[in-house]
Amino acid sequence: NAGVTQTPKFQVLKTGQSMTLQCAQDMNHEYMSWYRQDPGMGLRLIHYSVGAGITDQGEVPNGYNVSRSTTEDFPLRLLSAAPSQTSVYFCASNRDRNQPQHFGDGTRLSIL
Amino acid sequence: TQLLEQSPQFLSIQEGENLTVYCNSSSVFSSLQWYRQEPGEGPVLLVTVVTGGEVKKLKRLTFQFGDARKDSSLHITAAQPGDTGLYLCAGHLNLGGGKLIFGQGTELSVKP
Repeated sequence: NAGVTQTPKFQVLKTGQSMTLQCAQDMNHEYMSWYRQDPGMGLRLIHYSVGAGITDQGEVPNGYNVSRSTTEDFPLRLLSAAPSQTSVYFCASNRDRNQPQHFGDGTRLSIL
Repeated sequence: TQLLEQSPQFLSIQEGENLTVYCNSSSVFSSLQWYRQEPGEGPVLLVTVVTGGEVKKLKRLTFQFGDARKDSSLHITAAQPGDTGLYLCAGHLNLGGGKLIFGQGTELSVKP
C-alpha cells in the first residue's frame, strides 16, 4: 500500500502565483486533513474533510481552498501565494474520528 | 493562543537519563495521541489514550492521560540516542467534530 501520497515534494513559487498541492490516499479513509508545520508551532490544521463532498475550516484556513470530490483525493489550493505561506505542508487521513492519522511525507513550499 | 500547550519545547539530555514531556490544555479531549517525527518525514503514531487516568507503556515509553482528560504526559526511561526526534501530542476535542489539534512539539536530542 502506498498510504498517503503527496506531490510535489518541493516547490518554489513567486508571490502572487497559484498552485495546487496534491494528496491521495488508497486506504479508503473517510477523514482527510491538511496541516502546515512551522518551527515552534507544531502542526496547525488548515482544512479537513469528513467524507467526499464535505469540507470544513481548521485553525488557519485563510489563503487556502480545498475540495473533496472523491474519497481518495484532497487537493489544497493556494490562490495567490504569499511569503507567509512558506512552510512544510502535510496531508493526513484516518478511518474515523478517533482513529490515528496517517501522514504523507510532506511538501516543502517556499514563496519568494 | 495554543489550545494544547506542550513543554518543554527543546530538551537535550545524555544517554541514560530520564525525561518527561507534558501536554496541557484547559479543554477536555475525547482522546489524545502522541506522535514521533523524524526529519523529512511525516509524524508517526506512538499511542492513543482515550480513558481518563489511562496509562500505556511502549517499551521504555510511558504515556498517561489525565483524570479529567485535559492533559497528558510522556515519560522516557533511560533515553537512548535513537529516541532523538520531534515528539508531538495531539487531541480530538470532546465537541470538536473531526478536528485533531496538535501541540507545539518537543525537540528531543539524546547525546551518547
